[in-house]
Order: sequence, then structure tokens, then C-alpha cells
Amino acid sequence: EVQLVESGGGLVQPGGSLRLSCAASGFTFSSYSMNWVRQAPGKGLEWVSYISSSFSPIYYADSVKGRFTISRDNAKNSLYLQMNSLRAEDTAVYYCARAAARSGGMDVWGQGTTVTVSS
Amino acid sequence: QSALTQPASVSGSPGQSVTISCTGTSSDVGYYNYVSWYQQHPGKAPKLMIYDVSNRPSGVSNRFSGSKSDNTASLTISGLQAEDEAYYYCNSYTTSSTWVFGGGTKLTVL
Repeated sequence: EVQLVESGGGLVQPGGSLRLSCAASGFTFSSYSMNWVRQAPGKGLEWVSYISSSFSPIYYADSVKGRFTISRDNAKNSLYLQMNSLRAEDTAVYYCARAAARSGGMDVWGQGTTVTVSS
Repeated sequence: QSALTQPASVSGSPGQSVTISCTGTSSDVGYYNYVSWYQQHPGKAPKLMIYDVSNRPSGVSNRFSGSKSDNTASLTISGLQAEDEAYYYCNSYTTSSTWVFGGGTKLTVL
């Protein structure tokens, strides 16, 4: 079964850091580009970051550029999001999503992990 | 990058058809054919329904169809069923090498 499982969410103070992980299974992880997408409470989806299957290129939304770092470990079938200088507006459910091969869609999603930034 | 524009809500009766619009700019929807649509039920992860403007992934009902004209993409759901009630989001690749979502549309099946 093709599956993505996020972990690492939690409560963090403003200015703090958190590292999210996404474990992939059921497909050849190294062949796919990956994304992070987030959803603030009661709000819509917001694309956060993208990493190619070959580690480059990497792209970020303006809202997180300079604060968040996406990375991957193909040997461990894992995707990561290092989040620094966290703000209240970063509070959201964070989803990892697989970029569909040869298309612009995101065809596999995890169940999400919740990040709460609050003092 | 501004979010794509979707109506906040649409509704229809079982068996009817509804269309959800998604308006962007010549830098996203109007430039690429990388428009996708996602269905999200409350508390669940999004599900890909349409990719590359009009293609359906395997397993998605043919009651769902997509199209695009200039800077506006559309999702049409025919033969509405109760289980179609959900939020729908459009998404497009942009000339800035980023992706942008629409604000989301709540579909109510009356």
C-alpha cells in the first residue's frame, strides 16, 4: 500500500524550532519529488515547499523562505521539514504530499501532523 | 503569490450538476496546464480528483471533470451524490516555480 506518515508535530513557543518527518512506503521514494502543504485551523490549503527527486531544485513559499528547510533521505525513504523562527501564523496541520509523476498534481497525501506555535 | 479565487460555496440537489470556478492570472492558471483539483472531507487529508486541467486519476469517478479557459479553470461534478459534499481546492503551478492553491469552495448537497 502506498503510504505517507508524518510525525514530529507538537506545541512550540514563538521563535522556537521543530523538525517534521514524513515516512514513505509502498513506492520507490527516490523516484518522486515531494511537497509540504499546510492548513491553518479553519483555513484553506497553503503550499509550503517542494524538493525534487534528485534533491534539486528546491522551492519555498515566500511565507517560509529563510526560516524553513526541506530535505530528504532516499536511503531512509523519508522527507523532512526543519522549521525555525516559528511564528503563531505557522500553526497548522502539515501534510507531506507526493508529486505525481510527469504531472502537476499531488497524488498521495499523508494524514498530517499538527504544529501549534503558542506561548 | 496570491491565492487563486474560488467561490466560497456552491450547492446542488442530488442528481444535478455543479461547476466550481478557479480564477488565476497569466502567471499561473493561464500559463501552464498544471491545474489540479482536490476534495477534502472534514478532518481528512485532501484527495486528488483532477490533474493537468482535465485528467482523472485512476479510481476517481467520471462524474468529475475539469476544463480551462484563459485564466480560469473549472471543476464540474455531474450526478451529484451525498458523498460529494466536501471542500474543493484548485491548485496551479506558477511562473515563479511555486504552487498556489485556491481559497477553497464548500460544496453542499441539498
